[in-house]
Parts: sequence; structure tokens; C-alpha cells
Amino acid sequence: QKEVEQNSGPLSVPEGAIASLNCTYSDRGSQSFFWYRQYSGKSPELIMSIYSNGDKEDGRFTAQLNKASQYVSLLIRDSQPSDSATYLCAVSATASKIIFGSGTRLSIRP
Amino acid sequence: ETGVTQTPRHLVMGMTNKKSLKCEQHLGHNAMYWYKQSAKKPLELMFVYSLEERVENNSVPSRFSPECPNSSHLFLHLHTLQPEDSALYLCASSQEGFVADTQYFGPGTRLTVL
Repeated sequence: QKEVEQNSGPLSVPEGAIASLNCTYSDRGSQSFFWYRQYSGKSPELIMSIYSNGDKEDGRFTAQLNKASQYVSLLIRDSQPSDSATYLCAVSATASKIIFGSGTRLSIRP
Repeated sequence: ETGVTQTPRHLVMGMTNKKSLKCEQHLGHNAMYWYKQSAKKPLELMFVYSLEERVENNSVPSRFSPECPNSSHLFLHLHTLQPEDSALYLCASSQEGFVADTQYFGPGTRLTVL
């Protein structure tokens, strides 16, 4: 079983709709959870971090964490073409170890 | 220069060559990281340095040798690499040596081993 699992996509969403990205993880001791966005040919950039159960909102982005189900998600409201990228889920169980998923490719169609 | 810079951006080397990748951060951070990103594979954390001391080595083969002379500079020395080592090598930095911190990535070095 992969430590951090994401659907590779591509996930195609119409412009203006809500994009929902999902991630599951295997280590129950995980404490910190991150969503990174990576445009093609570019390096990852942090979109959201979340540390406790529930929702965390930042602009059009909402991260949701459910530790009991070992599940973290990212919702993007009012999707824009500029949101088209690969979204990486990352999970950290210790201070110096972080595990990334393979990423979900998101495509926003006009 | 701002943020995290990496040189060279592209590198092609033979299996018997020795080369080095350089990373410099201009953010005043105390921690630096090396990652490997291969096609179709997750981003892999290779090394973590906090205040110039190595705090993590994720079972990386000895043909990869990191060096952190100060908190602003990080090197990855390469020797006798294999074709499967071809990948994008990303450097990152964060304020402290905890991966829970926001990490800022450099643009990466695209390495091809022939």
C-alpha cells in the first residue's frame, strides 16, 4: 500500500465549478498535511497546510482533514484555467520526514 | 537574487563523471532540503539540513553526497551515477528544520545520466 495515495487524473472540471481533490494516507501518526501546486516544468508551491480535523479556508481554497478516516482533501471553488496544474498531497509524521503523493493532474476546461 | 536558486538548471553527465549541484537560498532560512522528482513517481525527500547539520538521510545511495557549508548554501555532489538517477532534483528551504514549516522550492536541476 502506498503511504500517500492520490488519483493521478487527469481530473477535468468546467471553469467556474468546484474541483475536488482527494488524498489518503497510511500512517495514523501523521500530524501535518499539505497541498502543493506544481505547474508543468515548474517547482511545487504550497497552497494550504492543515494540522487539525475539520476545514480550513483560504480564498477559493478549502482543505479538509479527517484523521479518523485518514483522508485529506482540497476543494477549489470557482475554478479558473490558471488552476490547471498537478496538485501534490504531502503528509508529515515526524519533524524531519515528509511523504508526497504522486499528484493529481487537474485540467480546467473553458 | 530572490528566493531559492539552483544551478545548473540542466545537466547531462556520463556514469563515470563527477559533478555538483548547487542551491542557494536568500530567505534567511535555517533549514535546507534536497528532493528527487522522477517521472510518474512521488517527490522523494533525500536529505534535510538544519543549521548546517544533517538531520535526515532517507536511505540515499552513497553516490549522492550532500554538503552544507552554511545555512544559505547546499550542494549535492554526484559520482558514478546510474541512468535511473536521471530526474529533477529540487532544493527547498524553510525557516526552521521542521517539514511542517512552509517549504520554498527552487526551480530544480534537470539531470540526465547517460
